[in-house]
Amino acid sequence: EVQLLESGGGLVQPGGSLRLSCVVSGFTFSAYFMTWVRQAPGRGLEWVSAISLSSGTTYYADSVMGRFTISRDNSKNTLYLHLDSLRVEDTAVYYCARNLELFDYWGQGTLVTVSS
Amino acid sequence: QAVLTQPSSLSASPGASASLTCTLRSGINVASYRISWYQQKPGSPPQYLLSFKSDSDKQQGSGVPSRFSASKDASANTGILLISGLQSEDEADYYCMIWHSGAVVFGGGTKLTVL
Repeated sequence: EVQLLESGGGLVQPGGSLRLSCVVSGFTFSAYFMTWVRQAPGRGLEWVSAISLSSGTTYYADSVMGRFTISRDNSKNTLYLHLDSLRVEDTAVYYCARNLELFDYWGQGTLVTVSS
Repeated sequence: QAVLTQPSSLSASPGASASLTCTLRSGINVASYRISWYQQKPGSPPQYLLSFKSDSDKQQGSGVPSRFSASKDASANTGILLISGLQSEDEADYYCMIWHSGAVVFGGGTKLTVL
């Protein structure tokens, strides 16, 4: 059974940092692109970032470019998202998802709240 | 103008069919894109339904009933999610998505009400 489990969310002040993790099981992690998608409260889905199989290529939405960093550790079946210089508008549930052109499996999400 | 435009809401009756549209911005040709569709119910993560590029290049999500299908209307530059035999459990938000110019783009979502 494919499973994705995010963690690392929480309350942080504007300008602060967080690192999100997504541990996967049930498939060969190193064989798939991986993606982060977020959803602000009451809003739609917003793509954040994606990473290639061996981390050689990364992609970012303009809204997070230069502030967020995606990475992965294939030996630990884990995807990461490092969030820096956080803003109030980064408040959202952050989901990890498998693949690139279509997201066939999603985690349950982890809530990031940016507030003073 | 947004890259992908979805109507904000749609209502339909149980047992009927519903067509949810996803219109691509002028200048972006729907024929060139794989459109994937997601269903999201309150308090839950999105779930993958299916993707469609052409009749010969489409994929149904694992366990997704065949009453969910997709197509394109080239004349309207639009992707379509068709849900037949509507059930109360189909009431949800539906999002379309494409990979465009090195980034993923989501439509704004359609809230489907079954009543």
